[in-house]
Amino acid sequence: KAGVTQTPRYLIKTRGQQVTLSCSPISGHRSVSWYQQTPGQGLQFLFEYFSETQRNKGNFPGRFSGRQFSNSRSEMNVSTLELGDSALYLCASSLQGALNTEAFFGQGTRLTVV
Amino acid sequence: GQNIDQPTEMTATEGAIVQINCTYQTSGFNGLFWYQQHAGEAPTFLSYNVLDGLEEKGRFSSFLSRSKGYSYLLLKELQMKDSASYLCAVRDPNDYKLSFGAGTTVTVRA
Repeated sequence: KAGVTQTPRYLIKTRGQQVTLSCSPISGHRSVSWYQQTPGQGLQFLFEYFSETQRNKGNFPGRFSGRQFSNSRSEMNVSTLELGDSALYLCASSLQGALNTEAFFGQGTRLTVV
Repeated sequence: GQNIDQPTEMTATEGAIVQINCTYQTSGFNGLFWYQQHAGEAPTFLSYNVLDGLEEKGRFSSFLSRSKGYSYLLLKELQMKDSASYLCAVRDPNDYKLSFGAGTTVTVRA
């Protein structure tokens, strides 16, 4: 069965622009979480969606937003991009977001802001 | 909040054993996960501990002590392909999110 698919894999944007990243979870998985990974900060939790509802949110500014569709695919949007937003953005899906189920990660989108 | 600490780097020889420690101080706890991440790739699940004790899975084992807020990942019979970053993550029972440590980069030398 197909894994978690993230598009695009690489993206270059300029400061002030906005960007939308996409994540298609494993078929049947209803929970999608987004993480930002940078060399200095490691993996930082952005938000989690379950059945089209944002269930949890990390400590990121309002420029970071997301949504989930009825087919469980999720998008995240970053507006007014800053240089510090350059990072690897990973999404992870799990069966129901239950406490003891592992999360499966996509390959990530490498965003570079210039 | 969550505070998760693990060493930044470790180096070991092919065929040897390496133990990666992870200590955590969290407001809630419902399981500790270990992930492996090769450079430029997605993290992949290695193990999950929710009760105290040792979980063995082939060459990899993971241990948990909830009273000490401590876990370790043991890699035996190291192979060159084990060179990667190893991430310790704790799940909060209140909000389902995983909080990750900064990761330990393991380098296996011939």
